[in-house]
Amino acid sequence: QKEVEQDPGPLSVPEGAIVSLNCTYSNSAFQYFMWYRQYSRKGPELLMYTYSSGNKEDGRFTAQVDKSSKYISLFIRDSQPSDSATYLCAMSRRGSTLGRLYFGRGTQLTVWP
Amino acid sequence: DTGVSQNPRHKITKRGQNVTFRCDPISEHNRLYWYRQTLGQGPEFLTYFQNEAQLEKSRLLSDRFSAERPKGSFSTLEIQRTEQGDSAMYLCASGRLRESSYEQYFGPGTRLTVT
Repeated sequence: QKEVEQDPGPLSVPEGAIVSLNCTYSNSAFQYFMWYRQYSRKGPELLMYTYSSGNKEDGRFTAQVDKSSKYISLFIRDSQPSDSATYLCAMSRRGSTLGRLYFGRGTQLTVWP
Repeated sequence: DTGVSQNPRHKITKRGQNVTFRCDPISEHNRLYWYRQTLGQGPEFLTYFQNEAQLEKSRLLSDRFSAERPKGSFSTLEIQRTEQGDSAMYLCASGRLRESSYEQYFGPGTRLTVT
């Protein structure tokens, strides 16, 4: 079993929909959580970076962390066709390997007009 | 443009040849990471540098792989005697300290195809 699980989808929604993307993890040492967006054949782009449990909002994006359930989410409001991409969750631990990221396999999202 | 740059963007090579990739990180970031990504998977950690020191290598990094970061600036990743299983996207990330961890910004990647 991988340390970070993410449903690869694909997920297809109409423009304007609220999108919910999720990851679960097994290692309680993970303390830092990130969401990246990756367009086809491009490098991942950092969207959200969170440390504590709870919600963090940035524009149309909200990241949610529930450490007790080992579950993280990304919500996209008023989704746009330009949001069509693969969304990767990533996390890292405290300790000597500071900053090494463990990724989910990504969820492919299509927003159709 | 002050982002992470990688060269070349694409590389096609024959099995058994050596290849070298270059990464130029964001200048004020002192950490540099290498990851490998295969189709349909998330990036997997290979190695990272703090300034010029290579602090950790993944078990994925066989002895055919070597990475350097002379003078703590750009970094190179070399693969010797390439195999078809080395075909992947090689990603470099530049890291800055944030809340006791590192926020990582990725470059566009180098796509390697081994024929």
